[in-house]
Amino acid sequence: EVQLVQSGAEVKKPGESLKISCKGSGYSFTSYWIGWVRQMPGKGLELMGLIYPGDSDSKYSPSFQGQVTISADKSINTAYLQWTSLRASDSAIYYCARQAIADDYFDTWGQGTLVTVSS
Amino acid sequence: EIVLTQSPGTLSLSPGERATLSCRASQRIYSNNLAWYQQKPGQAPRLLFYASSTRATGIPDRFSGRGSVTDFSGTDFSLTISGLEPEDVAVYYCQHYGSSPLTFGGGTKVEI
Repeated sequence: EVQLVQSGAEVKKPGESLKISCKGSGYSFTSYWIGWVRQMPGKGLELMGLIYPGDSDSKYSPSFQGQVTISADKSINTAYLQWTSLRASDSAIYYCARQAIADDYFDTWGQGTLVTVSS
Repeated sequence: EIVLTQSPGTLSLSPGERATLSCRASQRIYSNNLAWYQQKPGQAPRLLFYASSTRATGIPDRFSGRGSVTDFSGTDFSLTISGLEPEDVAVYYCQHYGSSPLTFGGGTKVEI
């Protein structure tokens, strides 16, 4: 079974750093792009960026370029989303999702990681 | 950037009724490169359709997707749920792909 399992909920203070993870299983992790999608409270879905774990090639949506870092460790089938200095506006649920092999829709989603940034 | 506008914002219907959700793109989407997702309360999104009308694995046939039937490109797409069931309560999102940046519509909430 194809699965993406994300790390647990986080509560952080403004200015702190954070790295959340997404572990893939049941498929060739290095052969599919992984995307990170933000969902702010009560709002819709926003693609933040993508990474290809096979060679760590990454792409960022314009709104998120420079705000976060997406990385992957193919030796442990895990993708990451990282912040160096969190803001309250980063409070959201973050989903990782696998892109289909031949097209750019997302065929498998992680369960989501809730990030709360509050002083 | 292609902007996707979904309407209505909220759809309130009774069990057994038909729901029609619209997704309109600001530019033509070629090869019907549009997907639909369902997000039930408290859950992650789930893929319903890709290529505008190809049902994902396990999606019941009361769900149907429609895109351009003439030249496989267009700006108007729809998702229909025939015979609403209580489990269909969710927010439905469209997403275009095939050109960057990928974007999602704002969602349509279906209430029963």
